[in-house]
Amino acid sequence: DAGITQSPRHKVTETGTPVTLRCHQTENHRYMYWYRQDPGHGLRLIHYSYGVKDTDKGEVSDGYSVSRSKTEDFLLTLESATSSQTSVYFCAISLRDRGITMTTGELFFGEGSRLTVL
Amino acid sequence: AQSVTQLDSQVPVFEEAPVELRCNYSSSVSVYLFWYVQYPNQGLQLLLKYLSGSTLVKGINGFEAEFNKSQTSFHLRKPSVHISDTAEYFCAVIIASGGSYIPTFGRGTSLIVHP
Repeated sequence: DAGITQSPRHKVTETGTPVTLRCHQTENHRYMYWYRQDPGHGLRLIHYSYGVKDTDKGEVSDGYSVSRSKTEDFLLTLESATSSQTSVYFCAISLRDRGITMTTGELFFGEGSRLTVL
Repeated sequence: AQSVTQLDSQVPVFEEAPVELRCNYSSSVSVYLFWYVQYPNQGLQLLLKYLSGSTLVKGINGFEAEFNKSQTSFHLRKPSVHISDTAEYFCAVIIASGGSYIPTFGRGTSLIVHP
C-alpha cells in the first residue's frame, strides 16, 4: 500500500466552475502524476511533479493547472471546467526516489476521482 | 517518442480457457515494459514488469508475459482464466536510460471472462 488518497472520489459540477482535485500521499515520494482515463484513450498524462514547486506538463495539460506546495499533496485544478473534462482522474506516485534499484518507473495509483461536468 | 499499441480493445473468453492479450511498442532504444490491471471502480495495479534478463516474466494471479525484442512485443498470457480475471489490462513502456521514466500507456484491453 503506497498510501495514496484522492479526494473527492466523485464530483458533479457545472460548466465554467472551478474544480480542485487533491492527491495525498503518506510516504514522501518525490514523483507524483495526474492522469485522466477515458474510454478508447487509456491513460493520458496531464501533469507531473518531481518535487515541491517542481512541475511539468504532460500530453493533455491544456485547461489544467497543478500545484505542489508540500511533498505530500499534489493538487489538480480545472480553472473553468468544460464538458470535455468529464473523466476519471488518477493520481500516481513513483518509487524512483528509493535508490537506483527502484528507478524503473513503476507507478502506484490512487482509487480515482470521477468528475462529471454538466 | 515511444508508443504502445494494444491490438484488441476487447477480448471475450470462456472460463478456464487460455488467453493472450497483445501489446506492441515502438522504440529503438532499451525499454522497460509493464502490464497493469484495473478491476472495476479501482485504480491500476502492477501485474508484472520486464526490466532485463529472462524474456519470460511471471506476475501475480498466474499471468506471464514474454518480451520479444525483434518483434517489439510484450504479450500477456494466462493458461486458464477465471471469472475474477475480468478487468481492464494496460500495457506500458518506459525508455530505460536517459529519459524521464514516465510511462506511456496503451489504450487498454478489456478482458471479459464468461462462465
